[in-house]
Amino acid sequence: EIVLTQSPATLSLSPGERATLSCRASQSVTSYLAWYQQRPGQAPRLLIYDASNRATGIPVRFSGSGSGTDFTLTISSLEPEDFAVYYCQQRSSWPQTFGQGTKVEVK
Amino acid sequence: EVQVVESGGGLVQPGESLRLSCATSGFTLSSYNMNWVRQAPGKGLEWVSYISSSGTVRYYADSVKGRFTVSRDNAKNSLYLQMNSLRAEDTAVYYCARILSGSGSYCDYWGQGTLVTVSS
Repeated sequence: EIVLTQSPATLSLSPGERATLSCRASQSVTSYLAWYQQRPGQAPRLLIYDASNRATGIPVRFSGSGSGTDFTLTISSLEPEDFAVYYCQQRSSWPQTFGQGTKVEVK
Repeated sequence: EVQVVESGGGLVQPGESLRLSCATSGFTLSSYNMNWVRQAPGKGLEWVSYISSSGTVRYYADSVKGRFTVSRDNAKNSLYLQMNSLRAEDTAVYYCARILSGSGSYCDYWGQGTLVTVSS
């Protein structure tokens, strides 16, 4: 099973700042990695798939990069609604797995 | 508008069974693979089960294999998760999610989830 490790666990930032979230895989997933956002009390929302493709309707301030074992989700300028928990997911091999999440909180 | 609505959750005792349903609308279910994903209280996301568009391919997480069964009725636009021999560690919100076409496993539409509580 591929283990995804997200860092940091919590990121404390102010609105307008840049957020950089990391996801590291225990073995290569090539580019088969997605990012999700989950706001409190809501279902997850797909942001990025195949490492760098924005899902439908996702603002351009969200971008993804990386390949192999190291991936990054960048939020260029945090909006109030971006404070949430973010998860990465790999689909390179079964079972598909999720990272443990990074919480982006207001500083 | 795409809609995914789970139902069937509730409080059950260890060892009992429960059947979750997922009603879909706004898209042709028979064209999409689907996932069940769960989230224990205060915890992260855990993939549970996958079913292909025709229902012929099914995968399960090791934690539920042999106890849970996923099925679908495309004519009724519905997905199901039969959960037997429930354990306390199965307590979670269960999400039904549509898989992005051509993507393999990425979930582009999710329901709001149904809470399953296993406790004596």
